[in-house]
Amino acid sequence: LAKTTQPISMDSYEGQEVNITCSHNNIATNDYITWYQQFPSQGPRFIIQGYKTKVTNEVASLFIPADRKSSTLSLPRVSLSDTAVYYCLVGVPYNQGGKLIFGQGTELSVKP
Amino acid sequence: DAGVTQSPTHLIKTRGQQVTLRCSPKSGHDTVSWYQQALGQGPQFIFQYYEEEERQRGNFPDRFSGHQFPNYSSELNVNALLLGDSALYLCASSLDGRLGTGELFFGEGSRLTVL
Repeated sequence: LAKTTQPISMDSYEGQEVNITCSHNNIATNDYITWYQQFPSQGPRFIIQGYKTKVTNEVASLFIPADRKSSTLSLPRVSLSDTAVYYCLVGVPYNQGGKLIFGQGTELSVKP
Repeated sequence: DAGVTQSPTHLIKTRGQQVTLRCSPKSGHDTVSWYQQALGQGPQFIFQYYEEEERQRGNFPDRFSGHQFPNYSSELNVNALLLGDSALYLCASSLDGRLGTGELFFGEGSRLTVL
């Protein structure tokens, strides 16, 4: 299974754009890149998933370069409520018979 | 539309005891996965159930076992509890098949403390 590396923590201020980069050098051809968000004492929540290039939804954007060895989650104009742990996962999605492995995540702290 | 529900929310056991945790998946979902999350760590995959059978398993000992019922609900059983089993146990449901993202929907978890 592909291993991911992401910063342990990041600080930001309200209204700023936050970019969290994840490295996954040994990503496999069938692997997707998925990001989850987790608040304290809650289960993780799906943010976005992509395979290549750029994916955007109402919450975030995901940028994946051509070699797919890294990816960047972009959160536009963060607010205090975006303070959470963000996990980058690489693998075959469950609905295709795979399993997803969580790393340690990036603890994002948004300050006023 | 009810999401993933887990019970109990909190429980305390002593070493050597056994525990059963329960999970009801999101309506329409047929696949249930269990995760263990120790304090300050990411969730660790325990196993996944589909069509009442264990389909995938993580690196957990046989003390961890599970079951899925015909209505897709699931149980996680842990025997001979150790202090190190203290954690938040998360259940996640998803819909099998090749459509969509395979997004996991997590419950709030069951907080197990072993004394």
